[in-house]
Amino acid sequence: AQSVTQLGSHVSVSEGALVLLRCNYSSSVPPYLFWYVQYPNQGLQLLLKYTSAATLVKGINGFEAEFKKSETSFHLTKPSAHMSDAAEYFCAVSQTGSGNTGKLIFGQGTTLQVKP
Amino acid sequence: KAGVTQTPRYLIKTRGQQVTLSCSPISGHRSVSWYQQTPGQGLQFLFEYFSETQRNKGNFPGRFSGRQFSNSRSEMNVSTLELGDSALYLCACKNPGQGSGIQYFGAGTRLSVL
Repeated sequence: AQSVTQLGSHVSVSEGALVLLRCNYSSSVPPYLFWYVQYPNQGLQLLLKYTSAATLVKGINGFEAEFKKSETSFHLTKPSAHMSDAAEYFCAVSQTGSGNTGKLIFGQGTTLQVKP
Repeated sequence: KAGVTQTPRYLIKTRGQQVTLSCSPISGHRSVSWYQQTPGQGLQFLFEYFSETQRNKGNFPGRFSGRQFSNSRSEMNVSTLELGDSALYLCACKNPGQGSGIQYFGAGTRLSVL
């Protein structure tokens, strides 16, 4: 079975500060990993994905994440927070190969607050 | 290209009624999945349809059902609504030929059960 744990339901940073959102996963098979962002009253927008290529993945809006198999982690970072980054962020896992159906397992989400 | 379209965006129903939500995926994306999002339970997978067949199912009661049409459009139905069914229902589509498993989400239908 697969699962995702996001450490910290709320993270608050100052504008210009480093953003670090933590995600740990559990999977018995090599996973696909994703970070999605959700703005109020909107659906989920893909930030970046890990699909077993490079372990350091760059996404949109200056975000990146590093896949660390030994730590079963896929933390999301951004060097300098912007006010527009305030949103809810979700880490998700799905199976690779023949198990790659349309089922994503999501973490509980982390609300990012950016203070001026 | 057009994104994922969910209709309606907002719905208000009363307990005991039934409701049907619609999802039109991106052209060529034949896999459609549905998720329920609530503050307490987060994002939970309901089911997935591919080529008009349910391929995967989450842990929801039988009151939740779905179907997919030949043009890949999908509907989900909830019968005998309960207060706890109030949620944002999200539809996502995937191109099975794309090995990365990326899913593209619609804006959702917000269902309020009174």
